[in-house]
Amino acid sequence: DARVTQTPRHKVTEMGQEVTMRCQPILGHNTVFWYRQTMMQGLELLAYFRNRAPLDDSGMPKDRFSAEMPDATLATLKIQPSEPRDSAVYFCASGLPPTVLYTFGSGTRLTVV
Amino acid sequence: KQEVTQIPAALSVPEGENLVLNCSFTDSAIYNLQWFRQDPGKGLTSLLLIQSSQREQTSGRLNASLDKSSGRSTLYIAASQPGDSATYLCAVNTDKLIFGTGTRLQVFP
Repeated sequence: DARVTQTPRHKVTEMGQEVTMRCQPILGHNTVFWYRQTMMQGLELLAYFRNRAPLDDSGMPKDRFSAEMPDATLATLKIQPSEPRDSAVYFCASGLPPTVLYTFGSGTRLTVV
Repeated sequence: KQEVTQIPAALSVPEGENLVLNCSFTDSAIYNLQWFRQDPGKGLTSLLLIQSSQREQTSGRLNASLDKSSGRSTLYIAASQPGDSATYLCAVNTDKLIFGTGTRLQVFP
């Protein structure tokens, strides 16, 4: 089965460090989402891309977060500098709208201490 | 701004019961609606996708309906089993996926 691959699965880092999370979307999918999930806020959309172009990153704190798609097989989410409040699970999803189901990766569990 | 609400927030039932999970959204201008399942500590698994022109989709013991004009979707689970225990999330697609708050389901033997 085709799957969305996220790395790393877990990351523990100290406050102030840079964190980079990676996502490999399913081949042929042209839309990629980044979400953050916490107990308090649920699933929040941070940014999304179509055909590698950013469509909306209004959910992302611009001063410390950045999202890119350097090519069709890789999406990255970077936090610099990281803060304890960034601790969450970050999910990537890909799809081919309007008919193809969106598929989610297993997530990156980030802990900032 | 699109808002998606799910009720109930939590549900605990004995095995064998038929269940109804509700999802409501404020803006009916959607392309489709998708139901997901999430097990504790895991990612999201897609269950059903209903296009805006459809009224219903079925997969095994799951049936999802969509009433776009009233901003509602229902997930019906027949003959629930302990393996159905998970959090169920609905998401509306307005070109981006907006998620509801989820219903945490526990089915006990």
